[in-house]
Amino acid sequence: SQTIHQWPATLVQPVGSPLSLECTVEGTSNPNLYWYRQAAGRGLQLLFYSVGIGQISSEVPQNLSASRPQDRQFILSSKKLLLSDSGFYLCAWSVGNTDTQYFGPGTRLTVL
Amino acid sequence: GESVGLHLPTLSVQEGDNSIINCAYSNSASDYFIWYKQESGKGPQFIIDIRSNMDKRQGQRVTVLLNKTVKHLSLQIAATQPGDSAVYFCAERITGGFKTIFGAGTRLFVKA
Repeated sequence: SQTIHQWPATLVQPVGSPLSLECTVEGTSNPNLYWYRQAAGRGLQLLFYSVGIGQISSEVPQNLSASRPQDRQFILSSKKLLLSDSGFYLCAWSVGNTDTQYFGPGTRLTVL
Repeated sequence: GESVGLHLPTLSVQEGDNSIINCAYSNSASDYFIWYKQESGKGPQFIIDIRSNMDKRQGQRVTVLLNKTVKHLSLQIAATQPGDSAVYFCAERITGGFKTIFGAGTRLFVKA
């Protein structure tokens, strides 16, 4: 069966510090991968998606970047965090021509 | 489009009653629809899906209804239980696309 992992689960970082969040998927090949951000009590904002290694599409211009160095690894990064980067970051995967996305447990990021 | 930035509407029901959560989707070219459940501090979980060539689909205690004429989707939960308390998101996929567009979400409170 497929599983998706995210780490860390929680993170507190100062403004201006770098960020690296990691997501890995097991049990499937060539998944579509997604990064979302969710502000408290709000909906999901798609940040990036990837349909293959090295292929990244950005949905919202911002302070973040994404990379996919391996088929089942998706990384969200920032060189300098802003207060507005605080939120709940979710990674998701899907395969084939259905777009049922399966979500990871999320990372709660607080920028102080 | 995406509903980022909207505070969540709330539905409060008595334990044992049926719940109906509604969603208006945005694009008549969408061909696949999904309902997700998100408990506090966790990633969204898949509940049920429906394709645009159907108008009703049933699962265990849940039913999804699709009305393409008015672009409306609903999730019915039978005999609502305290464990059903969560935020529920509808999502749509536009034909041929990789992205899923999420609705604003509805918070369901189940009163014992």
